[in-house]
Amino acid sequence: DAGVTQSPTHLIKTRGQQVTLRCSPKSGHDTVSWYQQALGQGPQFIFQYYEEEERQRGNFPDRFSGHQFPNYSSELNVNALLLGDSALYLCASSLAGGGRSYNEQFFGPGTRLTVL
Amino acid sequence: AQRVTQPEKLLSVFKGAPVELKCNYSYSGSPELFWYVQYSRQRLQLLLRHISRESIKGFTADLNKGETSFHLKKPFAQEEDSAMYYCALSDDYKLSFGAGTTVTVRA
Repeated sequence: DAGVTQSPTHLIKTRGQQVTLRCSPKSGHDTVSWYQQALGQGPQFIFQYYEEEERQRGNFPDRFSGHQFPNYSSELNVNALLLGDSALYLCASSLAGGGRSYNEQFFGPGTRLTVL
Repeated sequence: AQRVTQPEKLLSVFKGAPVELKCNYSYSGSPELFWYVQYSRQRLQLLLRHISRESIKGFTADLNKGETSFHLKKPFAQEEDSAMYYCALSDDYKLSFGAGTTVTVRA
């Protein structure tokens, strides 16, 4: 099992463009979370997808949207890119437990997005 | 709102010396806290969680609700402990991370 995989590894875009990042969860996992990690900071939660729906969202604008597919893989879309969107975007997968309990999140290597 | 604070950006210790990474949190409910580690050129991975009360790679962390702290400790640091360490708090389904502490263990 390769664990959580993300593509692409690196990406360079210009302001105003749109970008799509992809994530495949660890085998057997059904939940995907996305985080943004700016330089020198800890990861910041963007949102989480479970059963193809957004289950929880952090403090990010609507320019950030996502999707989860029936095979549990996920995409993160960012529209109207700003310079401040430059960051490492991390995907994490987990296996949903009952109720609201936490389950260990396994992280991917990340996608480095640079906005010029 | 929940918040995790790691006051030290950088920590340098000699091999064999004790190391302690500080983590303070604010949370209105009953917190679930974790330490994540990222070694050079590797992905972020879970080191330990407070509910398991176990020692991983010689590291331990005790949740102190009175002081709202979850400090990470190891009595004898090793060179392979050099890494970036993040304290994190679970709130429903999401993790809230601190800014991280870079630990360098010198020979």
